[in-house]
Amino acid sequence: KNEVEQSPQNLTAQEGEFITINCSYSVGISALHWLQQHPGGGIVSLFMLSSGKKKHGRLIATINIQEKHSSLHITASHPRDSAVYICAVLLAYSGAGSYQLTFGKGTKLSVIP
Amino acid sequence: EADIYQTPRYLVIGTGKKITLECSQTMGHDKMYWYQQDPGMELHLIHYSYGVNSTEKGDLSSESTVSRIRTEHFPLTLESARPSHTSQYLCASSEYTGFAEAFFGQGTRLTVV
Repeated sequence: KNEVEQSPQNLTAQEGEFITINCSYSVGISALHWLQQHPGGGIVSLFMLSSGKKKHGRLIATINIQEKHSSLHITASHPRDSAVYICAVLLAYSGAGSYQLTFGKGTKLSVIP
Repeated sequence: EADIYQTPRYLVIGTGKKITLECSQTMGHDKMYWYQQDPGMELHLIHYSYGVNSTEKGDLSSESTVSRIRTEHFPLTLESARPSHTSQYLCASSEYTGFAEAFFGQGTRLTVV
C-alpha cells in the first residue's frame, strides 16, 4: 500500500468549475508538496506546505496535519490547467535520506472548454 | 522559469547500448536528484547528491550510476541498456533541506528496444 494516496485518479471538469484534488498520507511528515506534471513530462513545483494554507493565483493548497490530509483547489478552471497533479511528502523520519520524497500516483485532470 | 535542463528529451536505443542522460542546473544548487517514473505510476528516487563528489542511492534499486564532478552537472549512466530500463527519468534540484523549493527538469523518456 502506498503511503500517499490521491483521489480522484482521474477528473474531468468543465471550464470554469471549482476543482478539488485530495491527498492522504499515513505517516508523519515534515512537508508536503503539490506538483504539476504536464503532458510532455516536465514537472513544476506548485506548493510546499508544512501547515495551514497557501494561495498562488487560482490555486489554493491546504493541509491538516492532525488528519494527515491535504487538498489542492483550482478556482475558475481552464483547459490549460489540464495536467497530472502529484502530491509528494517528505517523511519526518527520513534520517540520512531526508531528501527523499514519497509520491502519490497523481490525479489526471482534464478541463474541457 | 526553472533553470534545470535534461537532454535528450526522448531516446530510443537498442539493447546493450551504453547511454548517458544529462542533467544540468544553473542555480548553484547543492542537492540534485534522479527519479524514475513508469507510465501511470508514482515517481521513485533512484539517486541523489548532496554536492560535488557525493552520490547516494535512493529508495528504488536501479542499475544506473551517477556522478557529480561539478555542482551544476549530474549525469546518469546505464552501461548496458535493457528493455526493463524503459521509463521516464526526471532530474530535480533544490537548495535547501527538506525540498523547500524544488525544481524539476522536463524529463527524458527512454525506450530500449
